[in-house]
Amino acid sequence: DIQMTQSPSTLSASVGDRVTITCRASQSISIWLAWYQQKPGKAPKLLIYKASSLESGVPSRFSGSGSGTEFTLTISSLQPDDFATYYCQQYNSYWTFGQGTKVEIK
Amino acid sequence: QVQLQESGPGLVKPSESLSLTCTVSGGSISLYFWNWIRQPAGKGLEWIGRIYSSGSANYNPSLKSRVTMSVDTSKNQFSLKLSSVTAADTAVYYCARDKVPRGGSDGMDVWGQGTTVTVSS
Repeated sequence: DIQMTQSPSTLSASVGDRVTITCRASQSISIWLAWYQQKPGKAPKLLIYKASSLESGVPSRFSGSGSGTEFTLTISSLQPDDFATYYCQQYNSYWTFGQGTKVEIK
Repeated sequence: QVQLQESGPGLVKPSESLSLTCTVSGGSISLYFWNWIRQPAGKGLEWIGRIYSSGSANYNPSLKSRVTMSVDTSKNQFSLKLSSVTAADTAVYYCARDKVPRGGSDGMDVWGQGTTVTVSS
């Protein structure tokens, strides 16, 4: 099984900050990685697919990068609507999610 | 646009089977893979498995022995059955669509709102 490890687990930041979340895979997954945003009581929302492709309708302040085993999600200027939990998900072999990163208000 | 709606019992007794259905509206169930994901309260997401509109399925190896998925194209529905449940199976269960048709993936772009299932006697 491919394990996905996110860091940090919790991130405290202010509006306007640049935020970076890291996701590491236990083996190479090429670019087969997605990122999701989840708010309390809601279903996850797809933000990024193929490691760096922005889903339609998602603000351009979100970006993704990486390949192989190391990936990052960056929010260039954190907005009030961005305080949420973020998950990475590999789809190279079966599907596996990271444990999540909660972005909270500093 | 395509919408998904989960339905099924909210309470299941230990050792029994959990059965959920996801109804697809606003589009056809054909040509896509359809997923089940669950999330225990306060915890992360766990992929349970996915089924193609033809009936071909892939399951999470850790749950494979207890999971069965099926699809009913005439009703535009797909279903999950999880057997021998315990309290550890208590979670919000989501259905979701793979973004790319015909066996591709690129993540899951359409999700149901989720349904809470509690395992308790």
